[in-house]
Amino acid sequence: QKEVEQNSGPLSVPEGAIASLNCTYSDRGSQSFFWYRQYSGKSPELIMSIYSNGDKEDGRFTAQLNKASQYVSLLIRDSQPSDSATYLCAVNQPPGGYNKLIFGAGTRLAVHP
Amino acid sequence: SQTIHQWPATLVQPVGSPLSLECTVEGTSNPNLYWYRQAAGRGLQLLFYSVGIGQISSEVPQNLSASRPQDRQFILSSKKLLLSDSGFYLCAWSPGTGVTYEQYFGPGTRLTVT
Repeated sequence: QKEVEQNSGPLSVPEGAIASLNCTYSDRGSQSFFWYRQYSGKSPELIMSIYSNGDKEDGRFTAQLNKASQYVSLLIRDSQPSDSATYLCAVNQPPGGYNKLIFGAGTRLAVHP
Repeated sequence: SQTIHQWPATLVQPVGSPLSLECTVEGTSNPNLYWYRQAAGRGLQLLFYSVGIGQISSEVPQNLSASRPQDRQFILSSKKLLLSDSGFYLCAWSPGTGVTYEQYFGPGTRLTVT
């Protein structure tokens, strides 16, 4: 069974610190990886995508991918209270999956002033 | 730019009543369309996906059904709701061509079955 695993949290960090969110996946054939942010009561919002090993930076966000270890992470620098949300990791289901994504259950991040 | 709409935003329905949720996408053609359900405090469960008009694939057996009568319209239905159908229903779209798999979500419908 294909799985995407995340620590449910909550991950509590002080304002201004770096928040590190982690995700592991089971299918080595996966090629596309995404991070979504979901505020309480709202729908998920795509914030980062990564397709190659290494780091990808976008503003305060950095996604890291290590396909050999089947591991993807999201770093949030200078964390703000407005970053408090649940972060969902999503991985594409390999060929034949009609662009289907498998979602982790999410990590709840709490940034306190 | 692309926009995805869902309605209604909230719905309270008695057990055994029918259901119809609608999703429409603007600004793109031939999208892949998806219905997800998110139970309280849980992850996203894929219910249905569609790669074209009239083409529906079901992911889990249940008393729900989906239809795609037009290229950018996706409908989720039930003839008789169960208590377990309560949840946050999300419609999403992804580009129908290319090799990227990102999905974009609508605002969702919160369904409470009483």
